[in-house]
Amino acid sequence: QKEVEQNSGPLSVPEGAIASLNCTYSDRGSQSFFWYRQYSGKSPELIMSIYSNGDKEDGRFTAQLNKASQYVSLLIRDSQPSDSATYLCAALSWGAQKLVFGQGTRLTINP
Amino acid sequence: GAVVSQHPSRVICKSGTSVKIECRSLDFQATTMFWYRQFPKQSLMLMATSNEGSKATYEQGVEKDKFLINHASLTLSTLTVTSAHPEDSSFYICSARPSGADTQYFGPGTRLTVL
Repeated sequence: QKEVEQNSGPLSVPEGAIASLNCTYSDRGSQSFFWYRQYSGKSPELIMSIYSNGDKEDGRFTAQLNKASQYVSLLIRDSQPSDSATYLCAALSWGAQKLVFGQGTRLTINP
Repeated sequence: GAVVSQHPSRVICKSGTSVKIECRSLDFQATTMFWYRQFPKQSLMLMATSNEGSKATYEQGVEKDKFLINHASLTLSTLTVTSAHPEDSSFYICSARPSGADTQYFGPGTRLTVL
C-alpha cells in the first residue's frame, strides 16, 4: 500500500513566524512531490512541486525533499492569517497516473 | 496558465434525477483527468481516472454504472451522477494533467445537494 502520511494538526503558528509542515511517504519509487493548499469549502490549489533532493524556494514558500529519509516538508516564512488552510502533500510514483495524497495538515496562523 | 473550470459550481436536484458535471481544461490539453469526491471535513477521495478516448478506471468501491465518466476530447471530461440520492450529496472536484506533464491542476469543484 503506497501511503503518504501527514500530521492532521491543527498546527497553530503566530503571525510572522515560520510554519513547518511535514510529510513522509512509503513508496521509494515516488519521483514527484507536490504541495497543495485547500481553503475551507474550496478545491486544492498547487503551491509547489519538487523532484530533486534539497530545497526549492518560491517566494515565502520553501519545499524540502530528502529521498533517503522519504521525507518532504513545506516551510512558510512570515506566516500570514491568509495562509490558514489545509495543506495537502502528494506523491507520484514513476509510471503511475494518480497522485497519492496525505490526509492534510490544518494550519492556523494566529494574528 | 493551467486553468481548469467546472460547471456547474453548485447544483440542487431531487432524488432520482441525474446530474452532469463538466470539467474543462481551458489553456492546455489533458490526456488524463481525475474525479474526486470530498465530504465535509474529510480527505479527498479519488473516484476515477479518465483517459481521453478510453474507458475510465474506477477506484475500488465506486460504482461505474452510477458515476458515468466520459472523456471525449483533450479538454473536456464529464461526470454524470445517475439516479442521485441524498447520500450522493458531496463536493465533486475534477483535476487535469497537461499532456506530458505530471502536475495536476484542480477545478473549483461542484457542490451537489440531493434533496
